[in-house]
Amino acid sequence: QSVLTQPPSVSAAPGQKVTISCSGSSTNIGNSYVSWYQQVPGTVPKLLIYDNDQRPSGIPDRFSGSKSGTSASLSITGLQTGDEAEYFCGTWDYRLNGWLFGGGTKLTV
Amino acid sequence: QVQLVESGGGVVQPGTSLRLSCLTSGFSLINYGMHWVRQAPGKGLEWVAVISYDGENIYYADSVRGRFTISRDTSRNIVYLQMNSLRHDDSSVYYCARITGAVAGYFDLWGQGTLVTVAS
Repeated sequence: QSVLTQPPSVSAAPGQKVTISCSGSSTNIGNSYVSWYQQVPGTVPKLLIYDNDQRPSGIPDRFSGSKSGTSASLSITGLQTGDEAEYFCGTWDYRLNGWLFGGGTKLTV
Repeated sequence: QVQLVESGGGVVQPGTSLRLSCLTSGFSLINYGMHWVRQAPGKGLEWVAVISYDGENIYYADSVRGRFTISRDTSRNIVYLQMNSLRHDDSSVYYCARITGAVAGYFDLWGQGTLVTVAS
């Protein structure tokens, strides 16, 4: 059971939009930046969003992040079959003094 | 070239030890915190340990505290993970990852991972 809660799976048709939630608490998301990682099976996790809502260079603007209070979300618009992957949120927990990952959300397009 | 290359994984018996290495290149360890993150087959990402950019702050996940030790050699640009008293549930791909802050921030660079299998 992860401290950061994500839905196990989401699905949507190509071209549609999907939003993945990540729920935490005041000791983690509420007081720290959230980042999001995409992992295609068999590959290394890849940074998608950092500091809640910032995209690294090379990440399409179809991917966006937001944070409100103790929850964060990742939105993907214009879904493509290539977006099929597992998505993880992550942040630091200042009470645990440790990094937290959400349990991961498998996206099916 | 900025990269991380892990090594040292393998098949070991429960109760034994293993040391993983993460060879870094293209940047200095005195400027970045480094983490170990693991992933059991078919499972999610699990954070293991972190050493801060100055080596002063070291933290561990509850599941490995007292058994694993993270360290670094800044002259050789290597981060280590000494794993003792290995258990079946330590079987995972182990990634080293660079963090942008002292211990927190975000992971902007990952290694390719090294597989550890604990089996009798």
